[in-house]
Amino acid sequence: EVQLVESGGGPVKPGGSLRLSCAASGFTFKSYSMNWVRQAPGKGLEWVSAISSDSDYIYYAESVRGRFTISRDNAKSSLYLHMNSLRAEETAVYYCARDLVVGATRGTFDIWGQGTMVIVSS
Amino acid sequence: DIQMTQSPSSLSASVGDRVTITCQASQDVSRYLNWYQHKPGRAPKLLFYDASNLQAGVPSRFSGSGSGTDFTFTINSLQPEDIATYYCQQFHTLPYTFGQGTKLEIK
Repeated sequence: EVQLVESGGGPVKPGGSLRLSCAASGFTFKSYSMNWVRQAPGKGLEWVSAISSDSDYIYYAESVRGRFTISRDNAKSSLYLHMNSLRAEETAVYYCARDLVVGATRGTFDIWGQGTMVIVSS
Repeated sequence: DIQMTQSPSSLSASVGDRVTITCQASQDVSRYLNWYQHKPGRAPKLLFYDASNLQAGVPSRFSGSGSGTDFTFTINSLQPEDIATYYCQQFHTLPYTFGQGTKLEIK
């Protein structure tokens, strides 16, 4: 079964750091670009970051650039999001999502995890 | 950033009704437009890519159309399991952006 499972969420103080992980299974992880998408409580979906299959291309939303770092370990079929200087408004469920097309960073998310909740509060 | 505006923001309909949601982009996105279904506590689900291509496993009562700045998503005969929030999303230009969502409820 194709699956993505996020972990690493939890409470953190404003200004703090957190690293999210996403474990992939059931498909050839190293062949796909991956993304992080978040949803704040009561709000819509917001794309956060993307990384190409070989990590050569990395993209961020302007709101997180310079504070968040996306990375992957293809040997471990894992995706990561290291978040620094967290803000209260970044309280959200963070989803990892696979890009639809093998080898392309296309911005079409065909497989999603269940999400991990990040709560930024003092 | 490209702004995506969905209409309506919420919608109440009866089982068997035809339901239509529109999505307007602030600039031309060609057909680089996806639709997702999101149920509370679940992972979002891709329904359509490239405006009108039905993702594998999605029932044929769903349809998508449009290009440029104006797109439409239709459910031809609403079923109880279709209760969810629906999002359009453009991937023409980074950053990828989503509409604000349309919450669909059963009357």
